[in-house]
Amino acid sequence: GENVEQHPSTLSVQEGDSAVIKCTYSDSASNYFPWYKQELGKRPQLIIDIRSNVGEKKDQRIAVTLNKTAKHFSLHITETQPEDSAVYFCAASNGLNDYKLSFGAGTTVTVRA
Amino acid sequence: NAGVTQTPKFQVLKTGQSMTLQCAQDMNHNSMYWYRQDPGMGLRLIYYSASEGTTDKGEVPNGYNVSRLNKREFSLRLESAAPSQTSVYFCASSSQPGTNQPQHFGDGTRLSIL
Repeated sequence: GENVEQHPSTLSVQEGDSAVIKCTYSDSASNYFPWYKQELGKRPQLIIDIRSNVGEKKDQRIAVTLNKTAKHFSLHITETQPEDSAVYFCAASNGLNDYKLSFGAGTTVTVRA
Repeated sequence: NAGVTQTPKFQVLKTGQSMTLQCAQDMNHNSMYWYRQDPGMGLRLIYYSASEGTTDKGEVPNGYNVSRLNKREFSLRLESAAPSQTSVYFCASSSQPGTNQPQHFGDGTRLSIL
């Protein structure tokens, strides 16, 4: 099955700086890569996703890049704000055979004021 | 439009007791999922239902059973609870199988087994 590894496990950044989280996956057939944000005690919420037919996608201060050859994808948050403090999860799935998401272990991001 | 609703929000059980966690979605989604979340391990898939009438095992199915009662509802049952099943359980749904649509999560059930 799919194995998703996520790094780093914790990340502390100064407000206004950028944050980058990286994930690698094992199944070359994976073609969908969502990112979820989970605030303390809350549900995971989708913040951005990318499909294998594109290499980069942006939504305001958030961007995701995908390198299918190297089997890795990254989340970039620019101009970080205190409300960006949360746990971020990457995930991957292969929609051809099933609809299961395999999640990374998560990155705890702390934005220092 | 409530999205995905889970009940109960909190529960404490004794070892050996049984319990059913309920999940309902009002988005007319075809696929539904049960995950457990443990510290440092992300979200792990227990069971899923790609469409009404079908269920399949995920990554960690042992000790659990599921029922896809209808298109809206997908329940998770612990027949004989064990302390290792202490976790936060999330239900999720997505619209159309095979097209990689986003999964939407409920608020979770925090389950402690003594």
